[in-house]
Amino acid sequence: KAGVTQTPRYLIKTRGQQVTLSCSPISGHRSVSWYQQTPGQGLQFLFEYFSETQRNKGNFPGRFSGRQFSNSRSEMNVSTLELGDSALYLCASSSVTGDTGELFFGEGSRLTVL
Amino acid sequence: ILNVEQSPQSLHVQEGDSTNFTCSFPSSNFYALHWYRWETAKSPEALFVMTLNGDEKKKGRISATLNTKEGYSYLYIKGSQPEDSATYLCAFLNDYKLSFGAGTTVTVRA
Repeated sequence: KAGVTQTPRYLIKTRGQQVTLSCSPISGHRSVSWYQQTPGQGLQFLFEYFSETQRNKGNFPGRFSGRQFSNSRSEMNVSTLELGDSALYLCASSSVTGDTGELFFGEGSRLTVL
Repeated sequence: ILNVEQSPQSLHVQEGDSTNFTCSFPSSNFYALHWYRWETAKSPEALFVMTLNGDEKKKGRISATLNTKEGYSYLYIKGSQPEDSATYLCAFLNDYKLSFGAGTTVTVRA
């Protein structure tokens, strides 16, 4: 059973640009959540999607957005990039939403903003 | 923003020694507590999902306990091995969101 796949794994952008990250969950998993990790910080919750609906959102500015497709694949977009957006972005899938079930994480997309 | 605290931030353990560390979380509106292990250059991997006060879970040499009334969980590693070196994260589930602690980084010295 394939794991959670995130693309791209690494990317470099400049301030003001926008970026789209992709996440393919484990087959059959309908919940996808996104997290940001910056040095010295724990994983910060961005948002969670279930069946194409955003079920929950963390405390991030509107520049951070996401969506989920009918096949449960999810994308997150960050517009007008800032230096502080440099981070590891992790996606996780779960078989149920919002839930007591364990998360299965991808390897992350490391974004560097110059 | 829910306050999930982990202590210590890091610790060094001699191979063969046992160790433990703490996760503190709000004691109200408890749904579940997760523990994850995050090895360098890998993805975080679930260790335990704990839901009941007094829960004790075990996976090999690693075990965890849960006290929801006082808002803490302990993770224990018995007979530490170099492969136990990792960052251990706890996460508190509330309102369908997981709030993660900053982690305890364990380094096992051979």
